[in-house]
Amino acid sequence: GNSVTQMEGPVTLSEEAFLTINCTYTATGYPSLFWYVQYPGEGLQLLLKATKADDKGSNKGFEATYRKETTSFHLEKGSVQVSDSAVYFCALISGQAGTALIFGKGTTLSVSS
Amino acid sequence: GAGVSQTPSNKVTEKGKYVELRCDPISGHTALYWYRQSLGQGPEFLIYFQGTGAADDSGLPNDRFFAVRPEGSVSTLKIQRTERGDSAVYLCASTVTSGSGAEQFFGPGTRLTVL
Repeated sequence: GNSVTQMEGPVTLSEEAFLTINCTYTATGYPSLFWYVQYPGEGLQLLLKATKADDKGSNKGFEATYRKETTSFHLEKGSVQVSDSAVYFCALISGQAGTALIFGKGTTLSVSS
Repeated sequence: GAGVSQTPSNKVTEKGKYVELRCDPISGHTALYWYRQSLGQGPEFLIYFQGTGAADDSGLPNDRFFAVRPEGSVSTLKIQRTERGDSAVYLCASTVTSGSGAEQFFGPGTRLTVL
């Protein structure tokens, strides 16, 4: 079946450090891939997405590249800020298996100044 | 209010009781999804509406769970004979179209606690 696996947290970094959160997926067909973020006390919101292989999604300094050969969609940011502290969810929509999002378990990021 | 709203924000009930959770999607969004998020987990799909009809209810865990969207806008998730294992945050999301690349906009959720 379709699934998403992301690295377990928490991830603790100092401000301006480089961030990578790993995400791999299993899916039928050609899924669309997403990163959602949940800031403290707020609802889930889309951070970035990619809908086909080799696409790069980017937003707010975050980037992720859809790698079909490694079935991965790792999230990266060159210099994190305290305001990036949140829970990050990798997700996919298979298309063939429906239009609902399939989420990973989430990775908590804590950035200190 | 331009976003998805959910009421109540918190609901505490006793085992065996009936509860209703409401979702108001963004105006004009025809697709509506319900998800359930247990502690430390990502959201899990429950049911999807396209307009008034449930297009996919494969995520409902059992027949105690039911959802409606009678006028194609507001949706209500209904849980009968609640169990302690139903405790979770119930999330609603809406989108203009149900395509695989469409952004789903999430509400703040209803935290359900079954004592």
